[in-house]
Amino acid sequence: AIRMTQSPSSLSASTGDRVTITCRASQGVSNYLAWFQQKPGRAPRLLISAASTLQSGVPSRFSGSGSGTDFTLTITYVQSEDFATYYCQQYYNYSPLTFGQGTRLEIK
Amino acid sequence: EVQLVESGGGLVQPGGSLRLSCAASGFTFINYAMTWVRQAPGKGLEWVSTISGSGDNTYYADSVKGRFTISRDSSKNTLYLQMNSLRAEDTAVYYCAKEGGSSVYYPLDYWGQGTLVTVSS
Repeated sequence: AIRMTQSPSSLSASTGDRVTITCRASQGVSNYLAWFQQKPGRAPRLLISAASTLQSGVPSRFSGSGSGTDFTLTITYVQSEDFATYYCQQYYNYSPLTFGQGTRLEIK
Repeated sequence: EVQLVESGGGLVQPGGSLRLSCAASGFTFINYAMTWVRQAPGKGLEWVSTISGSGDNTYYADSVKGRFTISRDSSKNTLYLQMNSLRAEDTAVYYCAKEGGSSVYYPLDYWGQGTLVTVSS
């Protein structure tokens, strides 16, 4: 199984900060990498697919980069509605599909 | 507008069975693979199973293989997850999600609101 490791597991930020979350795959996944945002009691929401493609309706302050094994999610000018948990997921290999353990973004 | 509405969750005893349903609307159901993902209380996301748009190909996590069966009925635009031999560790919110294409290698672009399954005596 491809293991996805996110760092940090949690981070504190203030509104207006720039934050970066990293995701490392235990083997190459090309650009078959998605980022999701999940708020408490809600379903995950797809933010970015193919490592860097922003989904329709997602604010442009979100961006993704990377290929192969190392990926990043960046939020420039964090807003109050961005405080949530973020997950990366590889969809390169369905045996099994795997998610990172999550990164909780909290208000400082 | 894409909508996915799960149902069928509830309390079941260990060793019991449950069938989850996911009613889909707002897209051509047969054109898209569908997936079940679960989330245990306070934990992260865990992929459970995927079925191709045609229904010909299915994929399972090792933790549910042989106990769970994914299926779909295109006449009803509905996805199913038959869960047998349930264990306490299957307790979770179960989400259905639409993939971005008919087979695999697409992201999960729409999710339902989830249905809670609790396995307990």
